[in-house]
Amino acid sequence: NAGVTQTPKFRILKIGQSMTLQCAQDMNHNYMYWYRQDPGMGLKLIYYSVGAGITDKGEVPNGYNVSRSTTEDFPLRLELAAPSQTSVYFCASSYSGQGRNSPLHFGNGTRLTVT
Amino acid sequence: AQSVTQPDIHITVSEGASLELRCNYSYGATPYLFWYVQSPGQGLQLLLKYFSGDTLVQGIKGFEAEFKRSQSSFNLRKPSVHWSDAAEYFCAVGSINTDKLIFGTGTRLQVFP
Repeated sequence: NAGVTQTPKFRILKIGQSMTLQCAQDMNHNYMYWYRQDPGMGLKLIYYSVGAGITDKGEVPNGYNVSRSTTEDFPLRLELAAPSQTSVYFCASSYSGQGRNSPLHFGNGTRLTVT
Repeated sequence: AQSVTQPDIHITVSEGASLELRCNYSYGATPYLFWYVQSPGQGLQLLLKYFSGDTLVQGIKGFEAEFKRSQSSFNLRKPSVHWSDAAEYFCAVGSINTDKLIFGTGTRLQVFP
């Protein structure tokens, strides 16, 4: 059971560089989410998707982009990395909307440092 | 505004002692409530959830939580803590009207032998 797989586990970027954080799930979940976790701040929702071809902004979308071309994959793109994007990023999926009787399944995270 | 408050940033207990982690929420609709646990270097794992019915819910690893609507609280409890319970615990709230969960800022639990 792979569940939710995130790659890479760690990455160091220079300011202004771009990268894509990969997320894949094999549970046929329609809903997928990207969170960032900063110390003492809990989890903040960046973007989410309710199915292939549909994405929507969360609480902190600025500086990020997403796409959802398949049910399985939900990559997160950073176009111009900034130090404020130094964080741990988590991808999650659920069978139905995360408030609707359906728990989230999380990946193990990507630790990103922008210097 | 919808919010979740976990008043305790860091709690330290001795192994074998009882535990209660506090969670208060502010939410207009009937809430769905969750507790998640995060071990170091890992993603979050669901401990338990409340949607309706019995206000005392049982979860994995011997945890339970009680929903108190009058106090807008959903506190997590365990009668006897084990060293392996050391982790960070997050309370979260959602509802039937939303696709999004709101997470608290977390409580870090340290367990001394």
